[in-house]
Amino acid sequence: SQQGEEDPQALSIQEGENATMNCSYKTSINNLQWYRQNSGRGLVHLILIRSNEREKHSGRLRVTLDTSKKSSSLLITASRAADTASYFCASQQGAQKLVFGQGTRLTINP
Amino acid sequence: NAGVTQTPKFRVLKTGQSMTLLCAQDMNHEYMYWYRQDPGMGLRLIHYSVGEGTTAKGEVPDGYNVSRLKKQNFLLGLESAAPSQTSVYFCASSALGTRNSPLHFGNGTRLTVT
Repeated sequence: SQQGEEDPQALSIQEGENATMNCSYKTSINNLQWYRQNSGRGLVHLILIRSNEREKHSGRLRVTLDTSKKSSSLLITASRAADTASYFCASQQGAQKLVFGQGTRLTINP
Repeated sequence: NAGVTQTPKFRVLKTGQSMTLLCAQDMNHEYMYWYRQDPGMGLRLIHYSVGEGTTAKGEVPDGYNVSRLKKQNFLLGLESAAPSQTSVYFCASSALGTRNSPLHFGNGTRLTVT
């Protein structure tokens, strides 16, 4: 399968806690992108990290990339109810080939 | 600023019927894409376009055709729908292609083929 893998498939935490999601891919990449999808909606871009970068921040989001392990992680700090969504990683593998993982369903409990 | 707009939002087809899904973007993006999303499968690329008048096959192109006659529009056609094409279809656009810029998605079309 060309699909990336995400771990865990589902995550449920209390509001205010941190959430960490992991992504693995199978081949060399140009960049790795993270997206959020609310129920019944399209995907929304969160962060793009290039293959020569190791860490990137955007507000409460922190993304790391380890190309030697072919893995990435997304950390959401101080989670809020509005962060409840599915999160997808997508590895850019050349031309217009963007390979999406199967997603992590994150639930933030009040 | 509407971004990426997909029509229709829902559609039910009988096996063998045809239909066209319309995608329109108002961001002047060169690149446009059609994906399908199935449970447990993530998103898979059907076809894409790197500019007006161009189209190319993605990962799962069989049973679909596309056209990009105008820069702002990207049409996805199903000539003879099959139950295996039941899915949620997403259109996306990108300013510089996925190698250099992120995707902007529409809100999807949920298609059921009976």
